[in-house]
Amino acid sequence: AIQLTQSPSSLSASVGDRVTITCRASQGIDTALAWYQQKPGNPPKLLIYDASSLQSGVPSRFSGSGSGTDFTLTISSLQPEDFASYYCQQSNSFPLTFGGGTKLEIK
Amino acid sequence: EVQLVESGGGLVQPGGSLRLSCAGSGFSFSDYGMNWVRQAPGKGLEWISYISISSSTVHYADSVKGRFTISRDNVKNSLYLQMNSLRVEDTAIYYCARRGYYDRFDPWGQGTLVTVSS
Repeated sequence: AIQLTQSPSSLSASVGDRVTITCRASQGIDTALAWYQQKPGNPPKLLIYDASSLQSGVPSRFSGSGSGTDFTLTISSLQPEDFASYYCQQSNSFPLTFGGGTKLEIK
Repeated sequence: EVQLVESGGGLVQPGGSLRLSCAGSGFSFSDYGMNWVRQAPGKGLEWISYISISSSTVHYADSVKGRFTISRDNVKNSLYLQMNSLRVEDTAIYYCARRGYYDRFDPWGQGTLVTVSS
């Protein structure tokens, strides 16, 4: 199974900061990677698919990049509603897998 | 509105069985593959099963293989997860999620809680 390693596992930042979360795959997955945001008590919400495509309705401050084994999710200017947990997920091959998550907290 | 609604969760003893359902609406259910994903309390997301449009292809995570069975009824616009031989570690919120273009999971249901405890 392809393992996804997210870093950091937790992150403290302030409103207005630029934040980057990384996701490393244990083997190449081309661009078959998605990013999700999850707030407490809610299901995950799709942010980015195909590594860099922004899901409709998602603010443009979110962006994704990468291919092969190394990927990043960047939030250009943190807003109060962005404090949440973030997960990467690969769809290159079964079993599908998620990264361990990054909890983004207010500093 | 595209919507998925799970049901069937509850409290069950170890070794017991439970059947989860996921009802789709607002889209052509028979045109999409579907997934089950779970989240243990305070933990991350774990994909557990996928079923193709016609049910011809199914996949399972090793953690549930041989115990869980995914199925669907395209006439009823419904997805199912039959869970047998349940273990304490199967305690989680279970989400269904539609597989869209580029294999993206969108949308997700609100989830149904399964608690395995004696």
